[in-house]
Amino acid sequence: EAQVTQNPRYLITVTGKKLTVTCSQNMNHEYMSWYRQDPGLGLRQIYYSMNVEVTDKGDVPEGYKVSRKEKRNFPLILESPSPNQTSLYFCASSLQGTLWNEQFFGPGTRLTVL
Amino acid sequence: GQQLNQSPQSMFIQEGEDVSMNCTSSSIFNTWLWYKQDPGEGPVLLIALYKAGELTSNGRLTAQFGITRKDSFLNISASIPSDVGIYFCAGHLRNNAGNMLTFGGGTRLMVKP
Repeated sequence: EAQVTQNPRYLITVTGKKLTVTCSQNMNHEYMSWYRQDPGLGLRQIYYSMNVEVTDKGDVPEGYKVSRKEKRNFPLILESPSPNQTSLYFCASSLQGTLWNEQFFGPGTRLTVL
Repeated sequence: GQQLNQSPQSMFIQEGEDVSMNCTSSSIFNTWLWYKQDPGEGPVLLIALYKAGELTSNGRLTAQFGITRKDSFLNISASIPSDVGIYFCAGHLRNNAGNMLTFGGGTRLMVKP
């Protein structure tokens, strides 16, 4: 089944404890992206990647890191999480960067930072 | 980043009624998109609009790309209980800063059977 998977789905952590949220797609998509969703603010793009080894900042990149060493994986790294990073995170992918409109979204990761 | 104002924030309607929601921006976009998000799921694309003035339908859904390129609306006709969810507009602009997809704050739709 073609899909975007994220792990974990739920995570509660404490301030300053490094964490990684994994994202993987099995559709051979070139473009991958991370969003955070907060009430009343919709989805805001954190980082995106047009292809392997190519990453760019989105609207709200501060406090996050990403890497794209392989085509299928695009992990989101929080080196020192803070409470304002408590949010619902979505990974998305599309076949090509020019087909960003046909993005497939993962199921989401709900992160709580205490 | 750019701001998208989506309204209304929430709607509670009777099954069978028509629904209308819209998004406005202070800046222009090249493309407007409408997504629906069911509880516990990621957004799913409903309609994509590529040209100013374009009117596109997908079943009971109709969306339009405003002439000024700064707004878009989504209409749902004859609503049914499975229309419940959060609807998001999104605008895409490609510029020197890169490919940016900006989302509205969402419209939460509730349908009473």
